[in-house]
Order: sequence, then C-alpha cells, then structure tokens
Amino acid sequence: QVQLVQSGAEVKKPGASVVLSCKASGYAFTNYYVHWVRQTPGQGLEWMGLINPSDGGTTYAEKFQGRVTMTRDTSTRTVYMELSSLRSEDTAVFYCARDGLDVSGSIWSHYDYWGQGTLVTVSS
Amino acid sequence: DIQMTQSPSSLSASVRDRVIITCRPSQTINGHLNWYRQRPGKAPELLIFSASSLRSGVSSRFSGSGSGTYFTLTISSLQPEDSATYYCQQSHSVPQTFGQGTKVEIK
Repeated sequence: QVQLVQSGAEVKKPGASVVLSCKASGYAFTNYYVHWVRQTPGQGLEWMGLINPSDGGTTYAEKFQGRVTMTRDTSTRTVYMELSSLRSEDTAVFYCARDGLDVSGSIWSHYDYWGQGTLVTVSS
Repeated sequence: DIQMTQSPSSLSASVRDRVIITCRPSQTINGHLNWYRQRPGKAPELLIFSASSLRSGVSSRFSGSGSGTYFTLTISSLQPEDSATYYCQQSHSVPQTFGQGTKVEIK
C-alpha cells in the first residue's frame, strides 16, 4: 500500500536550518509529484511547494522562495525539504503529500496520500 | 494568491443531519477544488477531488458540487465519526491554497 513516512520531530533555534525527510513506498516513486504543506495554528494549511521526483524539478510558493529547498534521492525513494533562516513563526507541523496525478500530465491536482507529519519547534 | 473562504467556520449538528459546507474562491478556479477531512492529531485525508469526484473508499455520504467560484461539500447523514475539521483546497494555480477550515461537532 502507498505510504509516506516522515522523519521525527525537531527543535531548532532561530536562524538555524532544518531538513525533513519523506520516504515513499508502495508505488512508482518517480511517477508522482510530492508536495510539502505546513500547518500552523495561525495560518492554517499552507502549500510550500512541490518536487517532481522524476527529474528533481521544483516549484516553490513565493512566500518561501529563497528559504526552501526540495530535493529527492531516487535510490532511497526519499524526498527532502530544507527550510532555512528559521524563526518562531515557522513552528508548525510539516506534511509531505503525494499528488494524485501522474507527472506525465504535467499538472497538479489533489493530495491523495499524506505523511504523518513532522513537528518543528523553533525556540531560543 | 487565490483566497478560499469557507463557511461556516464551525457547526454543531446531530447524527443523521444533513450538513453543507461552502467554499468560495476569490476568483474562478473552474473545477479544480478538493475537500479534505482532518481528525485531531492526524494528517488531512482526501475526500473529494475535482469538485465532485468521490475518492475510492470514501463513504457515499460525502458529495461535492460546484464550479467557478462556488463549491459545496455535503454530508448527507452525519455520523459520529464525521467529527473533524474540513478544508477545501484549490489546485487551479500556484500557490495552491486552502480554506481556513470548518470544524464539525456532533451534538
């Protein structure tokens, strides 16, 4: 069955960076986009961007441009999301989610499978 | 960015009630609208995609409709396990955006 398993909780100081991982199983890894979504009490659910595991191509939300980097390792079927220059407002649960459409269509649609989420706490 | 406005922000209804949640994008998104349910402490789960397509395995009590700038999620007969927060999300343009959520409680 399709599964996305995320790395564990992190505690970081302001100004630091964090790298989260999302390991996929149960489907053809390079065939589906992977999105990252952030959830905070104040801002709700926010789309951060996506990566095409087939070619590593990325699209980021303008809000996170310059601070976010998404990469993938096809040998381990893992997607990574790095967020830098952390501030207290970045304290959130971060989710990876698979797009429901095959990358060959070059369009994005819905998130049919989600990881369990990773809590990142930014505090001095 | 496309703003997604859900209403109501919360509701309380009885078992077997019919519940309707609305979602209004700030501009037309054609049918690129999805609905998710999130139970406390859990990741969101897809219910409806492309405005009206029921995800396989999801109860037929859930249905979606609408296009353009007006969409609805209907729960035809509310059940205790439907207690959750529901979100709409547009995939029409980047950045993909979500509604603020509707918290559904069972009386």
